[in-house]
Amino acid sequence: QSVLTQPPSTSGTPGQRVTISCSGSSANIGNNPVNWYQQLPGTAPKLLIFADSRRPSGVPDRFSVSKSGTSAPLAISGLQSEDEADYYCAAWDDSLNGVVFGGGTKLTVL
Amino acid sequence: QLQLQESGPGLVKPLETLSLTCTVSGGSISGSGHNWGWIRQSPGKGLELIGNVYYSGSPYSNPSLKSRVTISVDTSKNQFSLKVTSVTAADTAVYYCARLLGVAVFDSWGQGTLVTVSS
Repeated sequence: QSVLTQPPSTSGTPGQRVTISCSGSSANIGNNPVNWYQQLPGTAPKLLIFADSRRPSGVPDRFSVSKSGTSAPLAISGLQSEDEADYYCAAWDDSLNGVVFGGGTKLTVL
Repeated sequence: QLQLQESGPGLVKPLETLSLTCTVSGGSISGSGHNWGWIRQSPGKGLELIGNVYYSGSPYSNPSLKSRVTISVDTSKNQFSLKVTSVTAADTAVYYCARLLGVAVFDSWGQGTLVTVSS
């Protein structure tokens, strides 16, 4: 059971907007920045969003996060086939004194 | 462009020590002021931070693994290393090395190496 809660899977069609939820507590998301990672099949995770809403160079603005309280959902607009991947949220947890990850969400583009 | 590459045995016997090295190229492990970390992913499972270290050697380890984990840096070789003692099947995973941009922010990753614990 992961400290940060994500749905195991979600799906969407090309062009659609999808949202992947990430819920935590005041010890993690509520008090620390959230980061998101994209893991394409057979590859290492890639930093997608950091410090709640910042995108590294090269990440399209189709990916965004609107953090509120203890929730930090990832939104993907204009869904593309190459977005099919596993997505993980992560944050520091003050109670556990460590980094916690969500269990991951598998996004399928239909 | 920064590149990280994990190396080490792909098979470790139960109760022995898992040892991996991450070689950093395209940048200095001591010149950037970053922390360097190890993350693992068990088959079909999610991600787990094992620990990280600053180039000067100030390590952090996941409390759940702390007593079994050693992370060290060799600035002369531009490498950092991981040792996990007394391994069990539960330590079977793909092990990634990564650079930390900030807390929980891993901005550059190695390709990962599968380590299987089995007799």
